[in-house]
Amino acid sequence: QKEVEQDPGPLSVPEGAIVSLNCTYSNSAFQYFMWYRQYSRKGPELLMYTYSSGNKEDGRFTAQVDKSSKYISLFIRDSQPSDSATYLCAMSAGNQFYFGTGTSLTVIP
Amino acid sequence: DTAVSQTPKYLVTQMGNDKSIKCEQNLGHDTMYWYKQDSKKFLKIMFSYNNKELIINETVPNRFSPKSPDKAHLNLHINSLELGDSAVYFCASSPGTGGNTIYFGEGSWLTVV
Repeated sequence: QKEVEQDPGPLSVPEGAIVSLNCTYSNSAFQYFMWYRQYSRKGPELLMYTYSSGNKEDGRFTAQVDKSSKYISLFIRDSQPSDSATYLCAMSAGNQFYFGTGTSLTVIP
Repeated sequence: DTAVSQTPKYLVTQMGNDKSIKCEQNLGHDTMYWYKQDSKKFLKIMFSYNNKELIINETVPNRFSPKSPDKAHLNLHINSLELGDSAVYFCASSPGTGGNTIYFGEGSWLTVV
């Protein structure tokens, strides 16, 4: 079983839709949870990170962590064509980082 | 100012050649990494250095050799390149060994022909 599971999609939504991206994990030692956005031919860009369980909001983006279910989510409100990218979840324990395989998102104008 | 910068961005080379990718971070971080990203976007750790000391050395052919002259730099040298080495290589850094977050460079696209 992989440490981190993420649905690869692809996911296609109309502009203005609410997007929900999710990851599950198996290691209860994970403490930091991150979401990255990766545009084509670019490096992963840190969007948000949270420590332990709870919610964090930043503009149109909300990250949720449910450690009891080992489940994390990223919500994008009022999605824009510029949100079209691959989104990777990541989590860490000690000096090791574990990544999902990414969900490809397309927002159609 | 780019936080994590790596060069070159694109590299096309012949099988059997030796090449290097350079990486520098100006974030003041203690830990640096090399990751390989495959065609399915999966990021696989190769090496990690903390304050110039190797702390993670995954199962990688010994043709790959990292070198950290100081904690702001981590270079990757690849000997006797093979077709299967074609991939995107990302340098990254994080504040320390306690987890937290990790920041990536823009990537180096290596094509071996």
